[in-house]
Amino acid sequence: GAGVSQSPSNKVTEKGKDVELRCDPISGHTALYWYRQSLGQGLEFLIYFQGNSAPDKSGLPSDRFSAERTGGSVSTLTIQRTQQEDSAVYLCASSLMGGGDIQYFGAGTRLSVL
Amino acid sequence: QKEVEQNSGPLSVPEGAIASLNCTYSDRGSQSFFWYRQYSGKSPELIMFIYSNGDKEDGRFTAQLNKASQYVSLLIRDSQPSDSATYLCAQRVDTGRRALTFGSGTRLQVQP
Repeated sequence: GAGVSQSPSNKVTEKGKDVELRCDPISGHTALYWYRQSLGQGLEFLIYFQGNSAPDKSGLPSDRFSAERTGGSVSTLTIQRTQQEDSAVYLCASSLMGGGDIQYFGAGTRLSVL
Repeated sequence: QKEVEQNSGPLSVPEGAIASLNCTYSDRGSQSFFWYRQYSGKSPELIMFIYSNGDKEDGRFTAQLNKASQYVSLLIRDSQPSDSATYLCAQRVDTGRRALTFGSGTRLQVQP
C-alpha cells in the first residue's frame, strides 16, 4: 500500500477485555514504531522494531502490553485486561533506515475502554 | 522536566502573518529534530526536519536549530487558515533507540 495502514480505526471495549491492534507498514520499511497519544497530549513511545533485531520495549507502560512483528512486516499490539487509562489513540509509524529515518504515521486506532 | 517542551497555545495569528513556533529540549545528545503537523483527529504528518545548526527553508516553512541554546523553532510565512493545526516538535538522540520523543504540541490558529 501507499502508506501505513492501521486497523481497526476505532475500538470500543469493556474494562478487563483484551484487544489487538494491527499495523501494516509501508512496503520495504524495516523499522516500525508504536506510539500512544492521550487526549491533548504529545506522542508517547511504546515499542520499536528494526529488522530481525530484538525489539526495544522500553516504552511499554506495563506487562499488559505486548507487541509482535511477523515476517518483518505486519505488527500487532496487544493490550490484555484493558483499563480505562488505556483509552487513547494508538499510532503506528514506519521508516526506511538510512533515509534520515523519517517516520511516516498511520491514521491510528482510537481505543475507548468503558 | 519534560525532555521536549512546547507552549500549548493556542497561538493565534492573522492570515498572512508569520507564525513562530518554539521548542526547547533538555538532552544535549539530541541530534535530529522534526516538526510534525497534526490536524484534529488526524495522524501527524512531517513538515520539516533539521540536523544542523542554522536555518533550513522549504517553501513557506523555515526550521531553525540552535544546539548551544537547545531550542528549535518553526516559522510559517504568509500563514493561511489551512495552517491551523497542532504542531508537534520531536527529537531523536542518535544513539540506541531510534524512536522520537515528542513535545505536547502547540495549537496554531490562523484567523481569516
